[in-house]
Amino acid sequence: QKEVEQDPGPLSVPEGAIVSLNCTYSNSAFQYFMWYRQYSRKGPELLMYTYSSGNKEDGRFTAQVDKSSKYISLFIRDSQPSDSATYLCAMKVYSGGGADGLTFGKGTHLIIQP
Amino acid sequence: NAGVTQTPKFRVLKTGQSMTLLCAQDMNHEYMYWYRQDPGMGLRLIHYSVGEGTTAKGEVPDGYNVSRLKKQNFLLGLESAAPSQTSVYFCASFDPDVRNEQYFGPGTRLTVT
Repeated sequence: QKEVEQDPGPLSVPEGAIVSLNCTYSNSAFQYFMWYRQYSRKGPELLMYTYSSGNKEDGRFTAQVDKSSKYISLFIRDSQPSDSATYLCAMKVYSGGGADGLTFGKGTHLIIQP
Repeated sequence: NAGVTQTPKFRVLKTGQSMTLLCAQDMNHEYMYWYRQDPGMGLRLIHYSVGEGTTAKGEVPDGYNVSRLKKQNFLLGLESAAPSQTSVYFCASFDPDVRNEQYFGPGTRLTVT
């Protein structure tokens, strides 16, 4: 079983809808949780970053982490066609030196229909 | 401030050929990473470096070598390319004291025939 599971989609929703993207993980040592957005043929860019459990909001985006269930979510409100991209969840363990690479989900391909 | 740049953007190799991918960052970050991205597999860590002169293995290091002779550059080498190394390669850099974000380059698309 892969450490991080993410439905690859595609997920297609109409413009203005609320989008819910999710990942589950198996490694209880993960402490840092991130969502990256990746447009076609581009590098990933950080969208949201959360440490441990809880919610974080930034504009139309809300990230939630539930460590007891090993489940993280990204919500997008008032979705726009420009939100069409692949969304990658990523996690890492804190090892003191901070050098750990990220463990990524496969990414969910999101399509917002105008 | 260019961020993270990668050279080349595209490359086609024949099986058995060698090549080096160059990653450069101008943010003075200590940590640098090489990932590969394959359809249905997500991004996987190949090697990483915690500072000039250091390297370490990631999740999928076999068939690759790396060097960090200068702080701003991180090189990924393929000594004898195989079709299984056809992938998109991303470099990233990171400084935890500044902002807890890995900055990614635009990627190198490599095809091995």
